[in-house]
Amino acid sequence: QVQLVQSGAEVKKPGASVKVSCKASGYTFTGYNIHWVRQAPGQGLEWMGWINPNTDATKYAQKFQGRVTMTGDTSISTAYMELRGLTSDDTAVYYCVRGGALAATGDDWGQGTLVTVSS
Amino acid sequence: QSVLTQPPSASGTPGQRVTISCSGSSSNIGSNTVNWYQQLSGTAPKLLIYSNNERPSGVPDRFSGSKSGTSASLAISGLQSEDEADYYCAAWDDSLIGPVFGGGTKLTVL
Repeated sequence: QVQLVQSGAEVKKPGASVKVSCKASGYTFTGYNIHWVRQAPGQGLEWMGWINPNTDATKYAQKFQGRVTMTGDTSISTAYMELRGLTSDDTAVYYCVRGGALAATGDDWGQGTLVTVSS
Repeated sequence: QSVLTQPPSASGTPGQRVTISCSGSSSNIGSNTVNWYQQLSGTAPKLLIYSNNERPSGVPDRFSGSKSGTSASLAISGLQSEDEADYYCAAWDDSLIGPVFGGGTKLTVL
């Protein structure tokens, strides 16, 4: 079955960077985009961008342009999301999502990674 | 300030039928299919409905979806206590070249 397993929770200071990993299994990693979606405490879902692991093409939401980088390592079926210049507003659970098998907006979700930004 | 608009809350008693609406625009719902996600407390969202009205394997047929123009709705019939969750609509947006989500609807089973 499809599984997306994310790295563990992180605590960062304002201004720092965070890199979250997402290891995929149960399907052909290069066959589907990986989206990154975040959810601030008590808030809704916010799309950050996607990466095509086959071509390395990326598309970032305008809000995160210049501050986010999404990459993939096909040798270990793992996607990464790095966010720089963290502020308290970036405190959220970050999800990786496989897109496009059934729903272009995402079929299978990782378990989420809590990133806390605090001084 | 979500791109898709949902009511923040909905409620019903066990056995009732409830509906949740989702409104968008021509660049998202108007030109693409709508998907719905269920998020139980403390867990990741789960795909509930895709392509407006299709259910992934394992999703009970109590859940159904529909779409008309730039709006969509999710219906839950025979409401059960385990349906208490947050529900999000989503659609691809041709202008953003990415998915957009509703703000979520918190469903309470009274």
